[in-house]
Amino acid sequence: GENVEQHPSTLSVQEGDSAVIKCTYSDSASNYFPWYKQELGKGPQLIIDIRSNVGEKKDQRIAVTLNKTAKHFSLHITETQPEDSAVYFCAASSLYNQGGKLIFGQGTELSVKP
Amino acid sequence: EPEVTQTPSHQVTQMGQEVILRCVPISNHLYFYWYRQILGQKVEFLVSFYNNEISEKSEIFDDQFSVERPDGSNFTLKIRSTKLEDSAMYFCASSALVGQYFGPGTRLTVL
Repeated sequence: GENVEQHPSTLSVQEGDSAVIKCTYSDSASNYFPWYKQELGKGPQLIIDIRSNVGEKKDQRIAVTLNKTAKHFSLHITETQPEDSAVYFCAASSLYNQGGKLIFGQGTELSVKP
Repeated sequence: EPEVTQTPSHQVTQMGQEVILRCVPISNHLYFYWYRQILGQKVEFLVSFYNNEISEKSEIFDDQFSVERPDGSNFTLKIRSTKLEDSAMYFCASSALVGQYFGPGTRLTVL
């Protein structure tokens, strides 16, 4: 069945260091991969996404990479700041099914120490 | 910036009671969703809704669940007879075509 695995479950870095979160997906039909940031008491916030026709996408300090052959995608945060501390979720979906459901990973709790 | 809103923020109910969770999606969005997150677990898809009908639903979304768009702005999730295991955060989301935007959630506690 459809599944997304996410690692690590927790990640602690020093302010200014980089953080990398990795996900793998099982459904070959998946072609859209968003990343969400969830702060305590709030809903998931879409921070960046990538489609399968693109290998990499960058937005300021965050970037996503996609290896469709290996069914891997990753989130990279550079120059981390304490306000980056949150739970990050990867997800996968098929855009062929308009309005398609998101299959989420388990989440990574990122802690950025000042 | 437009956002998805949800009410109430916290709902406490007795087992067997009916609850209605309410959402106001972003106004120009066409697709609407409900997800839930049991404490410490993944966010799970429940149902998607487009053009006034269910597009897709998960195994979780059984006969006890229903969704409705009663007017041009609200989108509701009804649980007819709540069970203890329905306790979770329920998130509404909406999208235009790509990119689902989530509300802040309703914490449902079933006693």
